[in-house]
Amino acid sequence: GIQVEQSPPDLILQEGANSTLRCNFSDSVNNLQWFHQNPWGQLINLFYIPSGTKQNGRLSATTVATERYSLLYISSSQTTDSGVYFCAVEWTNDYKLSFGAGTTVTVRA
Amino acid sequence: KAGVTQTPRYLIKTRGQQVTLSCSPISGHRSVSWYQQTPGQGLQFLFEYFSETQRNKGNFPGRFSGRQFSNSRSEMNVSTLELGDSALYLCASSPDLGEQYFGPGTRLTVT
Repeated sequence: GIQVEQSPPDLILQEGANSTLRCNFSDSVNNLQWFHQNPWGQLINLFYIPSGTKQNGRLSATTVATERYSLLYISSSQTTDSGVYFCAVEWTNDYKLSFGAGTTVTVRA
Repeated sequence: KAGVTQTPRYLIKTRGQQVTLSCSPISGHRSVSWYQQTPGQGLQFLFEYFSETQRNKGNFPGRFSGRQFSNSRSEMNVSTLELGDSALYLCASSPDLGEQYFGPGTRLTVT
């Protein structure tokens, strides 16, 4: 079955709006990361957050490991926030990241 | 600190040929992982190396192989290329466990 599930698959926002992306995972994890893939394909690190809450400018993330989910918040969205956001987890002693299918965010001016 | 570098950035090959991709990790990082991204299958793990030892391998045919050198640089090789091997190949490095950092990728087109 699906082990890393992201929702929603697509999100269309008006510039200035806030949004929440969700990542559910099926087992305990050593590592959880959020990435933004730029138009050229590179994965840009947003957060390394196996548990707890972190903030970086207009972005913040929360992982509740005991309930097996993570949330990525985008506030006051800008057109440059458009792109695909991936959640990836590393299961215990697995030495690899398992990726969700991604959320495609489109921010309209 | 320089980031993860991958060469070449773009590559066009013909079916049946073989290809070698290279990845240089962030200085001091000893773990290198490889991933394949396609529109249909998403991001899939190929293999991970730490101190020249493969610690994990994904579910890919034997045509896909890799290695890591003593300076932590890594190469992956795909032999007998098929059209379905067209993809973005991403390399990531980390100190060991923990946060992984990705390179810009190599975009391979097989014709």
